[in-house]
Amino acid sequence: KAGVTQTPRYLIKTRGQQVTLSCSPISGHRSVSWYQQTPGQGLQFLFEYFSETQRNKGNFPGRFSGRQFSNSRSEMNVSTLELGDSALYLCASSLTTGGRNYGYTFGSGTRLTVV
Amino acid sequence: AQSVTQPDIHITVSEGASLELRCNYSYGATPYLFWYVQSPGQGLQLLLKYFSGDTLVQGIKGFEAEFKRSQSSFNLRKPSVHWSDAAEYFCAVGGMAAGNKLTFGGGTRVLVKP
Repeated sequence: KAGVTQTPRYLIKTRGQQVTLSCSPISGHRSVSWYQQTPGQGLQFLFEYFSETQRNKGNFPGRFSGRQFSNSRSEMNVSTLELGDSALYLCASSLTTGGRNYGYTFGSGTRLTVV
Repeated sequence: AQSVTQPDIHITVSEGASLELRCNYSYGATPYLFWYVQSPGQGLQLLLKYFSGDTLVQGIKGFEAEFKRSQSSFNLRKPSVHWSDAAEYFCAVGGMAAGNKLTFGGGTRVLVKP
C-alpha cells in the first residue's frame, strides 16, 4: 500500500514569504503529525491532527500552523519565513483506534531552504 | 516531561562486527518506544517498536532491541553489521499519555569500516 506522501520534496523561499507543505497519510490513518528536523535542534514535534482537529502542539511560534482535511490529508503553513526555518519537515501518519496507537510511518520530508 | 538520551553521537564499527546503540528514556507512564533509521536526505524508516509484552523486540534488517524498565533503557543491537547499515539512528518515546507526540533522542551516527 502507498506510504506517506509529502510534497514538494524541495522548496526554496525568501525571507518574509510564506510556504505551505502538504502531507497525504496512509489510507485509513486519521492521525497526522508534523516534525521539524534541523542540525542544531534535532527532531522537534510541531503538531498533531486527528479527524480535522489539532490535538497537540509543540513549542513553536504562531507563524507555524496546520490543518487537516476530511480525507485526512494535512497541510502545514509557515508565514513570514525566517532563515532559521530552513529545515527538513517530516510528516508522520499513524493508525489510532480504540485509544491505542499502532505506530508512526514517516514520509520522505520536504526540505525547505530560506534565503 | 518526556525525554530521550542517546549518549553516543558517533559510533564507528567494522563490517561484520556487532553493534549496540544506547537509548535511555524518561516517561511518566507506560512508554511506547521506537527505533528509526535515517539515510542522508531521507525520511525516517521504522526499524522496530515496543508497545508491551515481550521485552525483546525483533525488527527489520536483523535489528533487535531490549526494553529494560528498571534501567529506563531500550538499546538497539545487531549481531553483524553490513556497510549498508551506515546511517543515523534515532530512538523515540511516545504514548497516549503524551497525546500521540514522539520525543526523539539526538541520534547516533553509525560509520561502517570495510
